[in-house]
Amino acid sequence: NAGVTQTPKFQVLKTGQSMTLQCAQDMNHNSMYWYRQDPGMGLRLIYYSASEGTTDKGEVPNGYNVSRLNKREFSLRLESAAPSQTSVYFCASSRTPGGRLQETQYFGPGTRLLVL
Amino acid sequence: DAKTTQPNSMESNEEEPVHLPCNHSTISGTDYIHWYRQLPSQGPEYVIHGLTSNVNNRMASLAIAEDRKSSTLILHRATLRDAAVYYCILRDVPGSARQLTFGSGTQLTVLP
Repeated sequence: NAGVTQTPKFQVLKTGQSMTLQCAQDMNHNSMYWYRQDPGMGLRLIYYSASEGTTDKGEVPNGYNVSRLNKREFSLRLESAAPSQTSVYFCASSRTPGGRLQETQYFGPGTRLLVL
Repeated sequence: DAKTTQPNSMESNEEEPVHLPCNHSTISGTDYIHWYRQLPSQGPEYVIHGLTSNVNNRMASLAIAEDRKSSTLILHRATLRDAAVYYCILRDVPGSARQLTFGSGTQLTVLP
């Protein structure tokens, strides 16, 4: 199993450009998440999907949109990139719909995004 | 999620045990204590979790104080590969079960 995969690994954008970050998991998990990590800080939740067909905002959703394409894939779109969105983006998944208190989340390797 | 307090950094010698502390004085009876770690340039990785009793797995042990206001992650023999940021996370109210709330964690340096 590959676990959680993310593409691309690195990306440089100019202010105002758009892009989509891709995430896929092969563990048949129901819940998927997008986090961002700024330098020296912990991760913050952007959006999550408790199950196929549902998405909800997390702590820092402004400037982002998401699509849960199917059970495997969860994409994050930046419509008009800003320098404040320079960050490392992590996708994660967990088994049950909506997650449980004792449940593990599995993380991808991250996408490093620089917005100039 | 309730707040946790961890030291910013710790050092250990290779092949020696490491005890990483976490204070969570406002923990409630239903909070699970989770530990994740993040190796350089990688995504976070689950280490261990527990509720009340001490827990062991192939990676580490988790010792939970009797009053549950603190816990300690124990790496029995540190290796260079264990150098990472270790996060202690509490998960409580089901409504917030969707996300992991990461603090700043403890940067563990392992010396050869």
